[in-house]
Amino acid sequence: GEDVEQSLFLSVREGDSSVINCTYTDSSSTYLYWYKQEPGAGLQLLTYIFSNMDMKQDQRLTVLLNKKDKHLSLRIADTQTGDSAIYFCAERTGGFKTIFGAGTRLFVKA
Amino acid sequence: GAGVSQSPSNKVTEKGKDVELRCDPISGHTALYWYRQSLGQGLEFLIYFQGNSAPDKSGLPSDRFSAERTGGSVSTLTIQRTQQEDSAVYLCASSFFQGGDTGELFFGEGSRLTVL
Repeated sequence: GEDVEQSLFLSVREGDSSVINCTYTDSSSTYLYWYKQEPGAGLQLLTYIFSNMDMKQDQRLTVLLNKKDKHLSLRIADTQTGDSAIYFCAERTGGFKTIFGAGTRLFVKA
Repeated sequence: GAGVSQSPSNKVTEKGKDVELRCDPISGHTALYWYRQSLGQGLEFLIYFQGNSAPDKSGLPSDRFSAERTGGSVSTLTIQRTQQEDSAVYLCASSFFQGGDTGELFFGEGSRLTVL
């Protein structure tokens, strides 16, 4: 079946790097995503990676995909207090279905 | 409107009552999704509609839950005989799929349901 798992909490100091990890089960996933949910707001796409890629970099964000281990990570360099939010890992399985993890709440301490 | 619109934003109901939640997707989006967000459960897939295809209802938790999408646009999620464990935020999202598209979902702000 389809399942996405991620740790629930992460706390870092301002200026440090944050690494949020995720594992998924469906080997047929075509796209994997990171969504961000700020307090009181809806989810918004942060970045994505196609399943035939190993890495994607977008400014302060680096996404790493290990397809063999079905492991996805999001690294945020120079984490700021404005990065405090819930980060959801998601996979697009066969067709159009998109499954989300439970979300990792990132706390950034000044 | 430019985004996904959901109503009501807040709904308080008594146990046993039926509720309807509405989602108005982005115009032209062919796919529409319902998710449930509750503490300790994360973001739980409920159902999705894609064009004229039969919906994928595999995430609906019980037969008290149903959804329809009329005219390929507006969708209504209905919960019959509500229970306290149905209390959650119900999120709707839409997307426009075509060849090579990334499948980004655009979310509404959700309908918070409280069952007393």
